[in-house]
Amino acid sequence: GAGVSQSPSNKVTEKGKDVELRCDPISGHTALYWYRQSLGQGLEFLIYFQGNSAPDKSGLPSDRFSAERTGGSVSTLTIQRTQQEDSAVYLCASSLLLAAYEQYFGPGTRLTVT
Amino acid sequence: DAKTTQPNSMESNEEEPVHLPCNHSTISGTDYIHWYRQLPSQGPEYVIHGLTSNVNNRMASLAIAEDRKSSTLILHRATLRDAAVYYCILREISNFGNEKLTFGTGTRLTIIP
Repeated sequence: GAGVSQSPSNKVTEKGKDVELRCDPISGHTALYWYRQSLGQGLEFLIYFQGNSAPDKSGLPSDRFSAERTGGSVSTLTIQRTQQEDSAVYLCASSLLLAAYEQYFGPGTRLTVT
Repeated sequence: DAKTTQPNSMESNEEEPVHLPCNHSTISGTDYIHWYRQLPSQGPEYVIHGLTSNVNNRMASLAIAEDRKSSTLILHRATLRDAAVYYCILREISNFGNEKLTFGTGTRLTIIP
């Protein structure tokens, strides 16, 4: 079956512009997670959704970052007024349910802010 | 908050077993222990997970200490394809039914031919 997909695969944007990153989870997976990975660094957890609800937004780096999920499926991560330090690979993962189930990761979106 | 600690790097000879440790001394009773690995230029992939008992699957084994304050991922016979960064992650369901995730910094495993 289809895995987690993300779009675009690569995004180059100018500093100060807004960007939207999209994640399509595996069908039927209720939990969806966003991570960030800067060059040569480990995974940084940003936010997760249980259904359409994001119970804890404290992992978002700043108020320029927001995320939503609709219909218990597609999720978008929006970064407003992008800064050069936002450059990273943004990874999305989905899981059938919380905690007890494995996460399946998408290929990521490489964001470059010039 | 729960925290995990992993060595930054490890080396192993090809075709020998590898033991990757993770310390999580502040783990709570409801935390699941997950291991993922990330091959170069790829997204992370699931390896194994457990709660209290040791677990085996086709990829690896997970040995969980009796007090659950540490765990060890065991690759029984390392191959060159096992060279990756291995992450130990705690996943907890909080009292409010929300999930909390705690990550290790990852161990970069190098396999020596």
